[in-house]
Amino acid sequence: DAGVIQSPRHEVTEMGQEVTLRCKPISGHNSLFWYRQTMMRGLELLIYFNNNVPIDDSGMPEDRFSAKMPNASFSTLKIQPSEPRDSAVYFCASVERGNNEQFFGPGTRLTVL
Amino acid sequence: QQPVQSPQAVILREGEDAVINCSSSKALYSVHWYRQKHGEAPVFLMILLKGGEQKGHDKISASFNEKKQQSSLYLTASQLSYSGTYFCGTGPPGGYQKVTFGTGTKLQVIP
Repeated sequence: DAGVIQSPRHEVTEMGQEVTLRCKPISGHNSLFWYRQTMMRGLELLIYFNNNVPIDDSGMPEDRFSAKMPNASFSTLKIQPSEPRDSAVYFCASVERGNNEQFFGPGTRLTVL
Repeated sequence: QQPVQSPQAVILREGEDAVINCSSSKALYSVHWYRQKHGEAPVFLMILLKGGEQKGHDKISASFNEKKQQSSLYLTASQLSYSGTYFCGTGPPGGYQKVTFGTGTKLQVIP
């Protein structure tokens, strides 16, 4: 199994630009989580999906952030417009139905200049 | 609310033991433990679902004290490969779905 796949691995953009992060969960997993990790705030849950449906987006910082999961094998996290304080590592994780172990992707390191 | 971990950082020599604590101000239903090596993604270690439960594999084990709203991770006879940041996470009844992670404990094992 390839594990959770995220792209891009690194993204450098300028303030005001739109950024789209992508995630492919492990096949057969029905829950997907988006996290943001910074030194100051640690590992924060932004949003999670169950069976492609958003269940809890209370961690999404602002309206500038949006996430979609159009099908079981793909999810996006979009930031529009991006700001320097959005700089962080963004992780996607997936979980198999009935299980507890979260499998994390390698992360996307986002730098907003 | 984010669980609190202690200590924030610890340095061990190979073969020494360590304990990492995780405390919550709210009732604990489940405790998840993950390890993240530098520049890598977090990796699942174990989950405890019941008060009084203890688990372990290799020389890493954990306990869950429901009444005290805390969990402890025990690393015995530490190896260089144990280096990394350890996160505890608290979850709802049943364990899965939304997990709130602590700020982490950075562990460094030196020869």
